[in-house]
Amino acid sequence: DIQMTQSPSSLSASVGDRVTITCRASQSISSYLNWYQQKPGKAPKLLIYAASSLQSGVPSRFSGGGSGTDFTLTISGLQPEDFATYYCQQSYSMPLTFGGGTKVEIK
Amino acid sequence: QVQLQESGPGLVKPSETLSLTCTVSGGSMNSYFWSWIRQPAGKGLEWIGRIYSSGNTNYNPSLESRVTMSVDTPKNEFSLKLSSVTAADTAIYYCARDINIGNYYMDVWGKGTTVTVSS
Repeated sequence: DIQMTQSPSSLSASVGDRVTITCRASQSISSYLNWYQQKPGKAPKLLIYAASSLQSGVPSRFSGGGSGTDFTLTISGLQPEDFATYYCQQSYSMPLTFGGGTKVEIK
Repeated sequence: QVQLQESGPGLVKPSETLSLTCTVSGGSMNSYFWSWIRQPAGKGLEWIGRIYSSGNTNYNPSLESRVTMSVDTPKNEFSLKLSSVTAADTAIYYCARDINIGNYYMDVWGKGTTVTVSS
């Protein structure tokens, strides 16, 4: 199985901050990397697919980058509604696997 | 707008079989994969497996011996059966559409259903 490691596991930030979350795969996954946002009591929501493609309806302050083993999710100008947990997920090979999550909290 | 809705018993006894159904509305099931994912309380996401509209399946090897998925496209629903459950199977269970446009990603999710394994 491909292991997905996210860092940090949690962070505190203020509204307006630029936030970057990192996801590392245990082997190369090309650009087969997706990002999801999950708010408490809600299902995950797709933000970014194929490492850098913004899902329809997702604000442009979210961006994704990277390829191979190292990937980033950046939120440029954190908004109150962005406080949530973020997960990366690889779709390069079975079984599909998720990172452990990064919780973004209010400072 | 495609929507998914999970349904099934919220309480299952240890050693019994967990059975859930996901109903798809607002669109066709054809030519898509349909996944099941679970999340224990306060923990991360675990992919259980997926089924194509034709019935082909991929299961997580960690659960494969206990998992069976099926699809009924005329009824617009797909199902999960997990046998010999233990307390470790207590989780929120989500169904999701797994789309493939050069890359697989889960673009539509159900709201989730909580399943507790307890006697």
